[in-house]
Amino acid sequence: QSALTQPASVSGSPGQSITISCTGTSSDIGAYNYVSWYQQHPGKAPKLIIYDVNNRPSGVSDRFSGSKSGNTASLTISGLQAEDEADYYCSSKGPSSTLYVFGTGTNVTVL
Amino acid sequence: EVQLVESGGGLVKPGGSLRVSCAASGLTFSGYSLNWVRQAPGKGLEWVSFISSSSEYIYYADSVRGRFTVSRDNAKKSLYLQMNSLRAEDTAIYYCATLYCSTTSCHYGGFGPWGQGTLVTVSS
Repeated sequence: QSALTQPASVSGSPGQSITISCTGTSSDIGAYNYVSWYQQHPGKAPKLIIYDVNNRPSGVSDRFSGSKSGNTASLTISGLQAEDEADYYCSSKGPSSTLYVFGTGTNVTVL
Repeated sequence: EVQLVESGGGLVKPGGSLRVSCAASGLTFSGYSLNWVRQAPGKGLEWVSFISSSSEYIYYADSVRGRFTVSRDNAKKSLYLQMNSLRAEDTAIYYCATLYCSTTSCHYGGFGPWGQGTLVTVSS
């Protein structure tokens, strides 16, 4: 099972919106509504920011939103802030032989 | 507050064995499915293993199947990963993470919270 494909880096200015794509296959993203997104600051553990494609855990800013179309999921960060500078990973449930698969990761830079 | 604390990491020679643990507090441990996820230095996240709340369902990534064994002790609120036949490519921070549970249900589409991780280094 190959990793999901994300752009290596995305950047934006404060206040702007950015979107990170996550491309999989019909066996993972396309097959299940079990896409999640994680934010990871340097030296820290990942933090769940979106679950089940488009749901935010309690306490996560509503500036983060998720969506899915076919085999591609997306994370949008609106009103970009300096604190959003981090690595972002998508994940999806996959075929039963490999229960979950993560994306390659995207580094977000706030200009 | 839910807290997961990993331990047991360290330096081990190729071909050796190591067991890492994850101690939980602040949650009804027996009600949660758990995962191990690892991150090689400077690299991305890789899912390693899943164990359901009663240990009925267990899954492994292809890269560790046959070498790693996940288990849990609900009475001790602890999760374990026994790692055998270790290779250099197993060098990583190993995180434990629950399936995310909202106030109404647990969700297969999200992991959280996560522990702080424990570093396993496989080198001669």
